[in-house]
Amino acid sequence: DTGVSQNPRHKITKRGQNVTFRCDPISEHNRLYWYRQTLGQGPEFLTYFQNEAQLEKSRLLSDRFSAERPKGSFSTLEIQRTEQGDSAMYLCASSHPLGEVGYTFGSGTRLTVV
Amino acid sequence: AQSVTQLGSHVSVSEGALVLLRCNYSSSVPPYLFWYVQYPNQGLQLLLKYTSAATLVKGINGFEAEFKKSETSFHLTKPSAHMSDAAEYFCAVDLFGRQNFVFGPGTRLSVLP
Repeated sequence: DTGVSQNPRHKITKRGQNVTFRCDPISEHNRLYWYRQTLGQGPEFLTYFQNEAQLEKSRLLSDRFSAERPKGSFSTLEIQRTEQGDSAMYLCASSHPLGEVGYTFGSGTRLTVV
Repeated sequence: AQSVTQLGSHVSVSEGALVLLRCNYSSSVPPYLFWYVQYPNQGLQLLLKYTSAATLVKGINGFEAEFKKSETSFHLTKPSAHMSDAAEYFCAVDLFGRQNFVFGPGTRLSVLP
């Protein structure tokens, strides 16, 4: 068990380009969460999966954002037509419903849109 | 709606001094409460959590927090600060049955030699 893994660690992209991030949760965790953290702020919830089902989405998740977890294992977060306001740290976390309360976070992907 | 406030966006203490980071929540139902620490360019690491058992919770690295329902508070303390404690600290609330946390804005702790 290597914890929650996120790739890439850093991504610099030009405005208008599409980007995709990947999250590999802890293997026995069936719940997976995406959060966004802007500079100087606490993380804000984006979306949550239980297995492959996306059960909740924040209003922060605009139409340009899409998240998938096709086989209930890893997840991807795609941002289309990136804007400078999308620059942030994107954090993934996982948890097990019958396990310890609380999440295990990955190290995050820092996105910079130039 | 739940909210979490952390009084003081930046706290400075001398090495060896007491650390006190404040967290207050608003919820009609006692929630689960967490403290996370974040080092630069890293994800969040769980320090400790309150899940309706003992009100005084001990965590890693010598930190502890006390849940006070009457004050809706969950302040984080450490008796003696170490240089390695310098980081950003986040308080978070998880209302039982929901599936997402509400985080506070964070408090940056600086430890002076």
